[in-house]
Amino acid sequence: QQQVKQSPQSLIVQKGGISIINCAYENTAFDYFPWYQQFPGKGPALLIAIRPDVSEKKEGRFTISFNKSAKQFSLHIMDSQPGDSATYFCAAPPNSGNTPLVFGKGTRLSVIA
Amino acid sequence: EAGVAQSPRYKIIEKRQSVAFWCNPISGHATLYWYQQILGQGPKLLIQFQNNGVVDDSQLPKDRFSAERLKGVDSTLKIQPAKLEDSAVYLCASSFDNTYNEQFFGPGTRLTVL
Repeated sequence: QQQVKQSPQSLIVQKGGISIINCAYENTAFDYFPWYQQFPGKGPALLIAIRPDVSEKKEGRFTISFNKSAKQFSLHIMDSQPGDSATYFCAAPPNSGNTPLVFGKGTRLSVIA
Repeated sequence: EAGVAQSPRYKIIEKRQSVAFWCNPISGHATLYWYQQILGQGPKLLIQFQNNGVVDDSQLPKDRFSAERLKGVDSTLKIQPAKLEDSAVYLCASSFDNTYNEQFFGPGTRLTVL
């Protein structure tokens, strides 16, 4: 199965800093790139998503940057807060137009005061 | 809007026993997914339903796992017999349809097989 490779596995950031999580994909047919956020004991929840027709999408403190030629996309969290401490997953649908998502292995983010 | 409901939240069983999980998706959502999330990993799709039909079950271990979605609403996932490696969180998700719509996840059922 086509994969998405996520890094780093874990990340510690000071409050107010920038958190950056990267994701690389293989299948050039991928055309929808969501990021999900998961808190302990909860299911994942959609945070932000991008289509490859744009290179960047921003929603509040969260930004997705997309590099189609490098087959990479990243999540930037500006002004990171302790409440952002969670596990973040990148994902992509393995087939264009269909949504059984393939998830990365996740990045555990800890924002410390 | 009520979210995706799952039960039970936790289950502990001995290996070779059977177990069933229940999911009630968001009202009006045609597509339902079951994912398996092993500790420290991302969710892995087990099966996808569109209404009451199976769209993708390529990663479902069919010798021991089964799932159904009668009447296109609620769904059950069963494991019989369970193995130690089945210990994981089983997540149910639903979406309006099977195109690029947000998937809404339930809280999951944490299964421990001893």
